[in-house]
Amino acid sequence: GESVGLHLPTLSVQEGDNSIINCAYSNSASDYFIWYKQESGKGPQFIIDIRSNMDKRQGQRVTVLLNKTVKHLSLQIAATQPGDSAVYFCAENPYSGYSTLTFGKGTMLLVSP
Amino acid sequence: KAGVTQTPRYLIKTRGQQVTLSCSPISGHRSVSWYQQTPGQGLQFLFEYFSETQRNKGNFPGRFSGRQFSNSRSEMNVSTLELGDSALYLCASSGTSGRGDTQYFGPGTRLTVL
Repeated sequence: GESVGLHLPTLSVQEGDNSIINCAYSNSASDYFIWYKQESGKGPQFIIDIRSNMDKRQGQRVTVLLNKTVKHLSLQIAATQPGDSAVYFCAENPYSGYSTLTFGKGTMLLVSP
Repeated sequence: KAGVTQTPRYLIKTRGQQVTLSCSPISGHRSVSWYQQTPGQGLQFLFEYFSETQRNKGNFPGRFSGRQFSNSRSEMNVSTLELGDSALYLCASSGTSGRGDTQYFGPGTRLTVL
């Protein structure tokens, strides 16, 4: 789920576990979605994207699932590592003709060795 | 290929002052977008420039403005700074200004208003 302000939802996992981060998007007209990872003191880093004509897309250790019926997006990280600890944002591209993104509030992932 | 660069990385100003932030996009990218990130509001879109033209604008007061140069570098300006303008200002570039074109972010400029 999403939270407001400093109280980001937090997912704590052990190294080697699989992680699932969820996101609800707001605009049914959105047809492009991106997951970003943001480490402390850095800008958001592109992880993986998916277009609305797909339900699933896989990258290296990451999988994004899209459920347009309930406007839900998830990011699965396999064999989570301490270096995966960061805040993860989902973003949607709702504006026709532009690349403008609308971001979710973010989820903090904490990976313990 | 070098990533998006932003200068300065840190800035401290006082209320009422104005500030200019700079962004150099990835080589070959023609679209630059600006976002404000705060703990309370998260990441919010400010504006987007493509070929020196503002293509889209977020819901921010007129104190926030920007421009893009012929080499695609962009600047944003905030006049009459308020305490609430303290934030991380992020610049993102993409190849075009089209829908579904991936945006790549710079490290941001941390602005503190005292």
